[in-house]
Amino acid sequence: AQTVTQSQPEMSVQEAETVTLSCTYDTSESDYYLFWYKQPPSRQMILVIRQEAYKQQNATENRFSVNFQKAAKSFSLKISDSQLGDAAMYFCAYRTFHDMGGSNYKLTFGKGTLLTVNP
Amino acid sequence: DTEVTQTPKHLVMGMTNKKSLKCEQHMGHRAMYWYKQKAKKPPELMFVYSYEKLSINESVPSRFSPECPNSSLLNLHLHALQPEDSALYLCASSQAAEASGTTDTQYFGPGTRLTVL
Repeated sequence: AQTVTQSQPEMSVQEAETVTLSCTYDTSESDYYLFWYKQPPSRQMILVIRQEAYKQQNATENRFSVNFQKAAKSFSLKISDSQLGDAAMYFCAYRTFHDMGGSNYKLTFGKGTLLTVNP
Repeated sequence: DTEVTQTPKHLVMGMTNKKSLKCEQHMGHRAMYWYKQKAKKPPELMFVYSYEKLSINESVPSRFSPECPNSSLLNLHLHALQPEDSALYLCASSQAAEASGTTDTQYFGPGTRLTVL
């Protein structure tokens, strides 16, 4: 079974600075998706970024980028020029690529990292 | 448009009440999900519907009864709940695996905050 580990329960960053959230995962599969979701106090889970395991290029979305190390099974999220609106719980999630009895409907989440942004 | 809507935003109910949560999406997705989330924890999958048929039931107690009346709507009927069922209930949608071979990204609604007294 796949597992996702976020080793930093809480992190803080100064506004305008850069912060990196770590995520590691364990899987025996070669094809899969990785996601970072953001959940602010407003509660909605918002997709931040997505990475397909077969793509070597790291995904980027504006100020958000990932460092995907497939061999190391590591998927960290870098937030540049942090803004107050980035304050949220961040969840790393894994999903298998292939349909195996419905298993590719299931997201495996890490426990989350609570990010505080200080003005 | 990547919007999933949920109503109501908040719900308070007694243990003998019957209530329903509603979820709607207009992205053409044929897979829809219910999750339960406790404070400061990741979401826990409850049910998955694919093409309006129940695909996954994660051994959820029968006091939770899902329904998918059409491809855009997903309901969760609640009856005889317990105080420990108080949580944030999230709906999500995605492509269905049967259509594309993979389900791609799940998009979440804003959730319903449920309190059981």
